[in-house]
Amino acid sequence: KAGVTQTPRYLIKTRGQQVTLSCSPISGHRSVSWYQQTPGQGLQFLFEYFSETQRNKGNFPGRFSGRQFSNSRSEMNVSTLELGDSALYLCASSLSSGGSSYEQYFGPGTRLTVT
Amino acid sequence: AQTVTQSQPEMSVQEAETVTLSCTYDTSESDYYLFWYKQPPSRQMILVIRQEAYKQQNATENRFSVNFQKAAKSFSLKISDSQLGDAAMYFCAYAGYALNFGKGTSLLVTP
Repeated sequence: KAGVTQTPRYLIKTRGQQVTLSCSPISGHRSVSWYQQTPGQGLQFLFEYFSETQRNKGNFPGRFSGRQFSNSRSEMNVSTLELGDSALYLCASSLSSGGSSYEQYFGPGTRLTVT
Repeated sequence: AQTVTQSQPEMSVQEAETVTLSCTYDTSESDYYLFWYKQPPSRQMILVIRQEAYKQQNATENRFSVNFQKAAKSFSLKISDSQLGDAAMYFCAYAGYALNFGKGTSLLVTP
C-alpha cells in the first residue's frame, strides 16, 4: 500500500505570495492532519480534515486554510506569505478521527522557504 | 491543554547498547494514547510505538519498548541493541484532538 505523498517536496516563494500544498493520504484513510515544523516552535498542529469537513484547528492565523476533497486528498493554502512561514509542512493520514485513530502516518513533508 | 516534555535534547549510545529516552506529559484525561515517533535526517516521521493509557501492559515492538507510568505521567522509550540506523530525532506525542509533540531528543549512535 502506498504511503502518504506530498507535493511539491520543495518550494521557494516570496513574501506576500500565496502557496498551495497537496497531500494524498494512504488509501482508505479518511482523516488528514497538517503540521508545521520549525526549529523554534517544533511541531505544531494546523488543522485536521475528515470527510471533507474541518474537524479541528490549531492556533494559526486565518492566512492558513485547507480543504479536503471527496477522494480524501487534502490541500493547504497559505496566503500573504511571511518570512516566519518558512517551515517543513507535514501531512499525516489516519483511518478516522479521534481516539486510537491517532495512529497517524506521515508524508515526507514539503519544505517551504519564504524569501 | 496537554503538554509534552522531553528533557533530554541530545542522547548518545554505543552500537549494541541500550538507551532510554524520557518523556513526561500533562493531562486531566483518564483515557488517551501516547506515541513515539522517529524522524531521521530524511525528515520522514515514522511511528515507532503506541501505548493506550487504559492498558497497564507496556507496549513492545521488537527492540523498542516503553515504560509507561500513568500515575507519574511518564512515558519513556527504551531502545535495546542500538543500531546505527536508530540515529534520529525522537518525538514523544500525546493524542488529544491532535498530536501534541514534545521538542524531541536527538539520538546519536556511535560505532
